[in-house]
Amino acid sequence: DAKTTQPNSMESNEEEPVHLPCNHSTISGTDYIHWYRQLPSQGPEYVIHGLTSNVNNRMASLAIAEDRKSSTLILHRATLRDAAVYYCILRDGNSGNTPLVFGKGTRLSVIA
Amino acid sequence: KAGVTQTPRYLIKTRGQQVTLSCSPISGHRSVSWYQQTPGQGLQFLFEYFSETQRNKGNFPGRFSGRQFSNSRSEMNVSTLELGDSALYLCASSPGSWGSNQPQHFGDGTRLSIL
Repeated sequence: DAKTTQPNSMESNEEEPVHLPCNHSTISGTDYIHWYRQLPSQGPEYVIHGLTSNVNNRMASLAIAEDRKSSTLILHRATLRDAAVYYCILRDGNSGNTPLVFGKGTRLSVIA
Repeated sequence: KAGVTQTPRYLIKTRGQQVTLSCSPISGHRSVSWYQQTPGQGLQFLFEYFSETQRNKGNFPGRFSGRQFSNSRSEMNVSTLELGDSALYLCASSPGSWGSNQPQHFGDGTRLSIL
């Protein structure tokens, strides 16, 4: 699987937008970009995924660079409940139900 | 809709014993995957079962095994427990049909402590 690079940690004020970056310079044409997050004492939670176009859902938005070598997860208004470790993961769309390969992720702290 | 249920939530064992953990997937999901999470190694894939067959396997010793039943419920077993097996064991389910863009839905895990 292609590798992703994320900052170790980020901090945000409550009710401010948060932009979480992910670099994936070796991404292949069939790799989907997935984001998961893990809140304290819980299992990981699916957030969003996309291939080429920007994606929106009730939790977040995913902005994908035109060359697909990077992407950004956008939380429009951070709340205290959004404090978690966020993982950016690539999954090959041609390889069936591939396992999730987790890196170290970005630990997001939200300040009230 | 009920989520993924893992039992027990906490377990304490001693070295050399064996342990069985249980996972009930979301209704209708046929794929169950298991992951191990430790502070040092992070989240690592153990194996995946689909329609009672192991479909993918991670890089863990043979002491780690699993199975899936006809109702898609899954169990994983660890034999001859070692101190390093202390971890949070997570189960995830997905519909399982071909195509890796399906989200996986995780339970809250079983925390296993080895004394």
